[in-house]
Amino acid sequence: NAGVTQTPKFQVLKTGQSMTLQCAQDMNHNSMYWYRQDPGMGLRLIYYSASEGTTDKGEVPNGYNVSRLNKREFSLRLESAAPSQTSVYFCASSESTATNYGYTFGSGTRLTVV
Amino acid sequence: GESVGLHLPTLSVQEGDNSIINCAYSNSASDYFIWYKQESGKGPQFIIDIRSNMDKRQGQRVTVLLNKTVKHLSLQIAATQPGDSAVYFCAEINFGNEKLTFGTGTRLTIIP
Repeated sequence: NAGVTQTPKFQVLKTGQSMTLQCAQDMNHNSMYWYRQDPGMGLRLIYYSASEGTTDKGEVPNGYNVSRLNKREFSLRLESAAPSQTSVYFCASSESTATNYGYTFGSGTRLTVV
Repeated sequence: GESVGLHLPTLSVQEGDNSIINCAYSNSASDYFIWYKQESGKGPQFIIDIRSNMDKRQGQRVTVLLNKTVKHLSLQIAATQPGDSAVYFCAEINFGNEKLTFGTGTRLTIIP
């Protein structure tokens, strides 16, 4: 089925470990986004990519890096995980930042840092 | 900075009744608003959207109302069903910065 696919679905890391969250979309969307969702809070934007080859910081970029590998894939990397990064991470894509603003979200990655 | 907030964090509604979820936004320059539904363990799903030049838009069992004078957005769900139980988020975007800003969410519980 068409949509946004995130891997892994669950992950437990020790403080200081690194990992990359993967995201791929098959809708030929230009824009992709990484959000985190914490209890009692809405989704907060970490990084986004308006088009292949470009990335920009969102509201909470510290401690993360991203790579827009190609039009389909947008990965999020934690170089040295901290307990404060325990959260649910959502990747999303949208057709264009100029016309259609409907985002399609993946099912999320639940990350726990101990 | 700009923020999008919700009046009530939780709402319980009897099955079959109508529900209204409210949202206040602070950025008067917002151009476009979206309501999302998030079920447990899933990502947010698009429900309905409305542009700032409209004051009402209807979908299947859902209606969004926009009052720009008081910067208020509401989602009305008619004849609620158990499957409507979820967290509902409003989100706004300014075409200039091209990024959605989400509210904190309202948990809707449908009572059988």
